[in-house]
Amino acid sequence: DGGITQSPKYLFRKEGQNVTLSCEQNLNHDAMYWYRQDPGQGLRLIYYSQIVNDFQKGDIAEGYSVSREKKESFPLTVTSAQKNPTAFYLCASSNPGTSGQETQYFGPGTRLLVL
Amino acid sequence: EDQVTQSPEALRLQEGESSSLNCSYTVSGLRGLFWYRQDPGKGPEFLFTLYSAGEEKEKERLKATLTKKESFLHITAPKPEDSATYLCAVYSSARQLTFGSGTQLTVLP
Repeated sequence: DGGITQSPKYLFRKEGQNVTLSCEQNLNHDAMYWYRQDPGQGLRLIYYSQIVNDFQKGDIAEGYSVSREKKESFPLTVTSAQKNPTAFYLCASSNPGTSGQETQYFGPGTRLLVL
Repeated sequence: EDQVTQSPEALRLQEGESSSLNCSYTVSGLRGLFWYRQDPGKGPEFLFTLYSAGEEKEKERLKATLTKKESFLHITAPKPEDSATYLCAVYSSARQLTFGSGTQLTVLP
């Protein structure tokens, strides 16, 4: 089955610790995205990547870092510089550039909690 | 700056009671408007994409429509399993999705 997987489902971070969220897709999509979702708010874009070895900051990139070494993988690191990391993190992918293919498909999400 | 406003924030319906959810938007160069369904603790599930005013799409009890300023998600004879948060998003010439904060729908048996 084609889809997007995220792991872990729950993640606990201690103060001062960096943690990495995994996102893998087997949809053969070129573009991948990371969003943050807080209660009562819309999804906010953290980082996105249109192609391997290239990525751009979204609206709330401070305190986060990403890499895109493989087409199917787009891990997100939440660094100690992110002072309010508690949120639901969503990864998505799409095939932009083709008419009608801007649709983004989402993974199941990772909930990050601070100890 | 692209903006999306969804109303109402929450909606409670009796089973079989039809209603509509609203998504108003301000965007530079609309390239698509998207509707998603999100269940608690899960990722959004894609429902529809609309590209131009006057376009309509249907799926089971759901029908999405689009004008130049807003989109409606009509729910006909809803069932309890339709309970979820419905998210609207616009894709513009900025080539990014901008999401509304969602409408939390509860359908009571």
